[in-house]
Amino acid sequence: DAKTTQPPSMDCAEGRAANLPCNHSTISGNEYVYWYRQIHSQGPQYIIHGLKNNETNEMASLIITEDRKSSTLILPHATLRDTAVYYCIVRVDTGNQFYFGTGTSLTVIP
Amino acid sequence: GAVVSQHPSRVICKSGTSVKIECRSLDFQATTMFWYRQFPKQSLMLMATSNEGSKATYEQGVEKDKFLINHASLTLSTLTVTSAHPEDSSFYICSARGTVQGYEQYFGPGTRLTVT
Repeated sequence: DAKTTQPPSMDCAEGRAANLPCNHSTISGNEYVYWYRQIHSQGPQYIIHGLKNNETNEMASLIITEDRKSSTLILPHATLRDTAVYYCIVRVDTGNQFYFGTGTSLTVIP
Repeated sequence: GAVVSQHPSRVICKSGTSVKIECRSLDFQATTMFWYRQFPKQSLMLMATSNEGSKATYEQGVEKDKFLINHASLTLSTLTVTSAHPEDSSFYICSARGTVQGYEQYFGPGTRLTVT
């Protein structure tokens, strides 16, 4: 079962930062947080992941709270191509399964 | 790198027939592959986990005799939907995790199955 909750939808103006929150209050100490996105009728695309520290790559930044009960994915300059459903996932430490929650449908508005 | 392909991308079959879907990791060896199903406007649901050379582990509620999974090599896993029915119509997506990468999964583009 998914261990995450996310708002069902968000809008963001093109060129602005998109901040997508995720709650994972039951996360265990050795479980990582992963973010993926899915554009309509395609397979999910890996964005970023982290354990405790904040992470940044060419696509996004991941901010994880000190108690690890929530995180925020930041797309620094959203474009129309960032319109997608964004999934926050807690990877199960044993077996490495991903259980997807309902995700956040992000719409970037021109 | 880390490309996963699926074949076919779309398939239409008649009720009662079987359909095989292939999942390949093109540029890495995948010790573990996962199969998901996604109904319209819903999230991905994990069906099973397969490790190369061993039997797949199915999630609760997924019929292992209906959804046959074979992971015979480090680059290929297949899902066979046996005796398909219209309610099996869905988007089937596989993912793969490599031997030298982290634990991120790389997803295929999906297969749209329609059972008439």
